[in-house]
Amino acid sequence: DVKVTQSSRYLVKRTGEKVFLECVQDMDHENMFWYRQDPGLGLRLIYFSYDVKMKEKGDIPEGYSVSREKKERFSLILESASTNQTSMYLCASKDRDTLSYEQYFGPGTRLTVT
Amino acid sequence: GDSVTQMEGPVTLSEEAFLTINCTYTATGYPSLFWYVQYPGEGLQLLLKATKADDKGSNKGFEATYRKETTSFHLEKGSVQVSDSAVYFCALSDHRGGANSKLTFGKGITLSVRP
Repeated sequence: DVKVTQSSRYLVKRTGEKVFLECVQDMDHENMFWYRQDPGLGLRLIYFSYDVKMKEKGDIPEGYSVSREKKERFSLILESASTNQTSMYLCASKDRDTLSYEQYFGPGTRLTVT
Repeated sequence: GDSVTQMEGPVTLSEEAFLTINCTYTATGYPSLFWYVQYPGEGLQLLLKATKADDKGSNKGFEATYRKETTSFHLEKGSVQVSDSAVYFCALSDHRGGANSKLTFGKGITLSVRP
């Protein structure tokens, strides 16, 4: 069964802290994504990666960076957390097969920055 | 750029009522269209999809038809259950990126079904 896991379901951090959100998938997917979900705004793409050590900016990359050192793991980094980064963060992965556009999502991490 | 517009919510229905959730899109070319569902406390999961005009996607009693002429992909279910209470997202995938294409999501709509 397809599985995407995220390191924490809930996280509370202080303003200015460096925050790491980890995502692991066990499907050998090439493509991985980080979204944030906010009420009334839906899902917005932060960054994505289509191969190890490759990354592309999404629609809202400011204040974030990512790391993909291994195929199964994609990390989202908040270099200096701010209160406006309080949100639900969702990770997803996808097979690079051009006939398959489905993304598989993790359960999400609800981050609160105080 | 591409965009997806969903009807405003939230939506509250009684059990066994008919459901329609509207979704329209703007895209260059011929995107694939999706409905994703997010149950409380969980991530998103694919509900159904359609990859070309006039295709009908269906799953768990839900249906949606890809209408190119009206650029729409409305979600319907004839008789909703309490267990259908969730957030529903309409999404499209362009094909311009090939294997690296991305999804564009609508804002989502919360459905609550009363017993």
